[in-house]
Amino acid sequence: DQQVKQNSPSLSVQEGRISILNCDYTNSMFDYFLWYKKYPAEGPTFLISISSIKDKNEDGRFTVFLNKSAKHLSLHIVPSQPGDSAVYFCAASVLIQGAQKLVFGQGTRLTINP
Amino acid sequence: NAGVTQTPKFQVLKTGQSMTLQCAQDMNHNSMYWYRQDPGMGLRLIYYSASEGTTDKGEVPNGYNVSRLNKREFSLRLESAAPSQTSVYFCASRRNGQGMNTGELFFGEGSRLTVL
Repeated sequence: DQQVKQNSPSLSVQEGRISILNCDYTNSMFDYFLWYKKYPAEGPTFLISISSIKDKNEDGRFTVFLNKSAKHLSLHIVPSQPGDSAVYFCAASVLIQGAQKLVFGQGTRLTINP
Repeated sequence: NAGVTQTPKFQVLKTGQSMTLQCAQDMNHNSMYWYRQDPGMGLRLIYYSASEGTTDKGEVPNGYNVSRLNKREFSLRLESAAPSQTSVYFCASRRNGQGMNTGELFFGEGSRLTVL
């Protein structure tokens, strides 16, 4: 079963507008949530994270919101830039037997149109 | 400052052949991971190693074996490749310590494997 879900395979946004990427999870034991960005032919790179005890974390143009009651998080990018075009993966972290494991969503392909 | 290095970057195998994907990190990280990426499936954990000398199964371990050769190196072996193992494989290591920042994984560039 998919513990972390990104239900939108793709999203297209005009340059300068806000991009909102969504992610849902089922396991209440997740303690941290992260967003990764991936360009073609490259490995994913870390973007931003949030602890399960917070509801918002901001880093420049990127803000992640966490709604624990709804088991939902979202990544806001504002303003969106052409270089933001990439695949974005949501991930959730859980500590199991002393080891930190990340569970990833399916990814959302974001395209920023000029 | 190489980070995580994977080899080979591309490989084509015939069904039943074996091969090993190599991974090395130079960041002195304790934990290392192997993921596979398939369309519509995201990144799925195959095996991980929380520290030198230990390995554990992830979500999709069948058909794979791993070796944590030392702190730097973590290899993934396919003993008898199958077409279902056609995928892009990513090795990653995790920042040491506890807390939020330790969720950050550093990924290699990936190894694209095709099994015919």
